[in-house]
Amino acid sequence: DTAVSQTPKYLVTQMGNDKSIKCEQNLGHDTMYWYKQDSKKFLKIMFSYNNKELIINETVPNRFSPKSPDKAHLNLHINSLELGDSAVYFCASSQDDSGWDTQYFGPGTRLTVL
Amino acid sequence: AQKITQTQPGMFVQEKEAVTLDCTYDTSDPSYGLFWYKQPSSGEMIFLIYQGSYDQQNATEGRYSLNFQKARKSANLVISASQLGDSAMYFCAMREEASGGSYIPTFGRGTSLIVHP
Repeated sequence: DTAVSQTPKYLVTQMGNDKSIKCEQNLGHDTMYWYKQDSKKFLKIMFSYNNKELIINETVPNRFSPKSPDKAHLNLHINSLELGDSAVYFCASSQDDSGWDTQYFGPGTRLTVL
Repeated sequence: AQKITQTQPGMFVQEKEAVTLDCTYDTSDPSYGLFWYKQPSSGEMIFLIYQGSYDQQNATEGRYSLNFQKARKSANLVISASQLGDSAMYFCAMREEASGGSYIPTFGRGTSLIVHP
């Protein structure tokens, strides 16, 4: 059974479009995250939710809107896509938001904006 | 200021030899945890090993061990008996306190390890 799953795995789209990436975890964790990994492999946190409540928003443009319908799901919607949004987006989860716990990552979604 | 520093962008090691990947960190927290993750070319992020600041012993997990030197604020990953499958990016990570009392997971820039046959 996949612990953290993301869909789609690849996403190719035109500038200006709106797209969503879905994430689900079956680990029973309270905290979920979205990360962006750029072409130089730098991994930076974007958002964190704990029990459906937003707790971290790292100065991400408001074109990015996370939504957590329940604590097992954290989706990422991106409006008006730009070339600079091209990256790999990772979803992750951990037991809680204390920072002590191991994070479990999804397989990543490679977004290419043309 | 960068919280986690990995000074080796790339490392090479011969198969079956040991290799050390460096990680230094900056924190004022009296207690903290350090994590190492592996990212092979297939892209997934895999948890390897964890070290708590108050752990009495250095962490070990199979061929992975941590050379944890608290006074130096370093937590270097040692991979013994390297295998070809160890070729990957390796990331050191820890939490960073943010405003409002929350914690932000922070990653180093990673080290690319290539294992030669």
